[in-house]
Amino acid sequence: AQSVAQPEDQVNVAEGNPLTVKCTYSVSGNPYLFWYVQYPNRGLQFLLKYITGDNLVKGSYGFEAEFNKSQTSFHLKKPSALVSDSALYFCAVRSDSSYKLIFGSGTRLLVRP
Amino acid sequence: EAQVTQNPRYLITVTGKKLTVTCSQNMNHEYMSWYRQDPGLGLRQIYYSMNVEVTDKGDVPEGYKVSRKEKRNFPLILESPSPNQTSLYFCASSLWAHEQYFGPGTRLTVT
Repeated sequence: AQSVAQPEDQVNVAEGNPLTVKCTYSVSGNPYLFWYVQYPNRGLQFLLKYITGDNLVKGSYGFEAEFNKSQTSFHLKKPSALVSDSALYFCAVRSDSSYKLIFGSGTRLLVRP
Repeated sequence: EAQVTQNPRYLITVTGKKLTVTCSQNMNHEYMSWYRQDPGLGLRQIYYSMNVEVTDKGDVPEGYKVSRKEKRNFPLILESPSPNQTSLYFCASSLWAHEQYFGPGTRLTVT
């Protein structure tokens, strides 16, 4: 069965510091991995994806994520956080043999000035 | 403008009264999907569709129906809504189930 775990309900960082939002997954077959962001009172937006290729994936707004097959992780990172990055972040996974998509429970990122 | 639209945006109804939430996309996407968002549970997939007349169950399909008669439309039907279906619902579309474009959401309250 597919599953996604986002172990932190909330991550707090100071503006200008690096941030990491953690995601681990379980899937049969090869994983397709995604990060989405939900800003307050706005819909969900796609940030980045890993399908195949380089383990380090770059996405929108300066975010990147590293695929680690041995640790079954896909952590979201940004070198320097902005107050405007404060939002709810979702990791999602599906198998290359299925179109069913599983989302994590979400991590709220709070960047303080 | 490329977009996914949902209607209505807000709906308050009573237990047992059938309702339909419409979803439409103008990007010619094959893949469409419905999700519900509940606090602490994240997004859970209800149904998805890979193409016209092809639908499949997500993680939480009980109490819901869908149809895909046209490529652009993917309505969500609640035949007999119950209070545990009170939630925020999102429709999404994409090419080949990769990055998805989400609609603005429909907040449903069932009393």
